Amino acid sequence: AQRVTQPEKLLSVFKGAPVELKCNYSYSGSPELFWYVQYSRQRLQLLLRHISRESIKGFTADLNKGETSFHLKKPFAQEEDSAMYYCALKETSGSRLTFGEGTQLTVNP
Amino acid sequence: EAQVTQNPRYLITVTGKKLTVTCSQNMNHEYMSWYRQDPGLGLRQIYYSMNVEVTDKGDVPEGYKVSRKEKRNFPLILESPSPNQTSLYFCASTVAGGSYEQYFGPGTRLTVT
Repeated sequence: AQRVTQPEKLLSVFKGAPVELKCNYSYSGSPELFWYVQYSRQRLQLLLRHISRESIKGFTADLNKGETSFHLKKPFAQEEDSAMYYCALKETSGSRLTFGEGTQLTVNP
Repeated sequence: EAQVTQNPRYLITVTGKKLTVTCSQNMNHEYMSWYRQDPGLGLRQIYYSMNVEVTDKGDVPEGYKVSRKEKRNFPLILESPSPNQTSLYFCASTVAGGSYEQYFGPGTRLTVT
């Protein structure tokens, strides 16, 4: 069975500092990985997906199959990045998502 | 506006009193799903549905029921709620298959006393 692990429940950085939110997964097939974000009092929304290889709001994430990781990175954190971030894995076929435990990011002024 | 709606948004109830949380989407999505969100545990899937009349258990289905009689609606039923079902519940929908975004509802905060 697939599993997603986010080792940091809480992460605090200062504005302008680099930030990296870790995500590791286990899955026997070829996974599809996503990052979802939940700002305070808002619903979850997609931040980015690995197949798009895009940068959203300055965030990037690279799928490393050798290390089974999909870490989320941003070179210069902003206060508005403060939110709960979830890494999610989708099976090759189907639509089920398996979420990690989430990381609460706080960017201090 | 494309959206997923849930009702009620907040609910306080007592142990054993049956309740239903409704979920509706207006995007003609085949796939719908229910999650519960608990501190330190992230989002865990309760049930999902690939299409009308097709439902299946997620990771934590015990104590819950669902139905999918229409494509747009996917209600979550708690026949006999217990305090350990106190949680924040999210409904989500997406196009079946592919790497499409899952659209989430605003959440329903349920407290069972």
